[in-house]
Amino acid sequence: DGGITQSPKYLFRKEGQNVTLSCEQNLNHDAMYWYRQDPGQGLRLIYYSQIVNDFQKGDIAEGYSVSREKKESFPLTVTSAQKNPTAFYLCASSNRGDEQFFGPGTRLTVL
Amino acid sequence: GESVGLHLPTLSVQEGDNSIINCAYSNSASDYFIWYKQESGKGPQFIIDIRSNMDKRQGQRVTVLLNKTVKHLSLQIAATQPGDSAVYFCAGGRGNTPLVFGKGTRLSVIA
Repeated sequence: DGGITQSPKYLFRKEGQNVTLSCEQNLNHDAMYWYRQDPGQGLRLIYYSQIVNDFQKGDIAEGYSVSREKKESFPLTVTSAQKNPTAFYLCASSNRGDEQFFGPGTRLTVL
Repeated sequence: GESVGLHLPTLSVQEGDNSIINCAYSNSASDYFIWYKQESGKGPQFIIDIRSNMDKRQGQRVTVLLNKTVKHLSLQIAATQPGDSAVYFCAGGRGNTPLVFGKGTRLSVIA
């Protein structure tokens, strides 16, 4: 089945630790995106990548980092510099100018 | 820049009635608009999209209307069912730029 997967579904982090969220797609999409969603809020763009080995900051990139070494994969690292990382993280992919397909999300909680 | 917002944060409808969810946008250069449905704890799912050169598009039980004069977008759901209960987001996009999402409207269906 074609789709976009995220892992883990739930993630707990201690303060001061970096954590990496996985996002994989087998839809052959060029573009991939990371969003953050807080309770009762919309989606805010963290980073996006329109092609392998290239990515751009979104609206709230501070405290996050990404890489795009393969077309299928776009991992997001939440660093210790992110002051309030507890949120629901959504990954998406698309072909240019088309709808974005979303993964199931990862819920990150800082202990 | 683009901003996309919604008129109402919550909407309650009786089962079987029609639902109308509204959205306003600020960037008249948007090429297309998309409605997503997000159930609790899940990633958003595509419902329907509309290109900027269209006024109306129909899907199964859903209709999207676009009024470019007043920069307004609406989603109509016919014969609303309990399974339609979710948060609905509108999003606008242009070319290869990432979608901009509104904050969402929570639809509650009363049985």
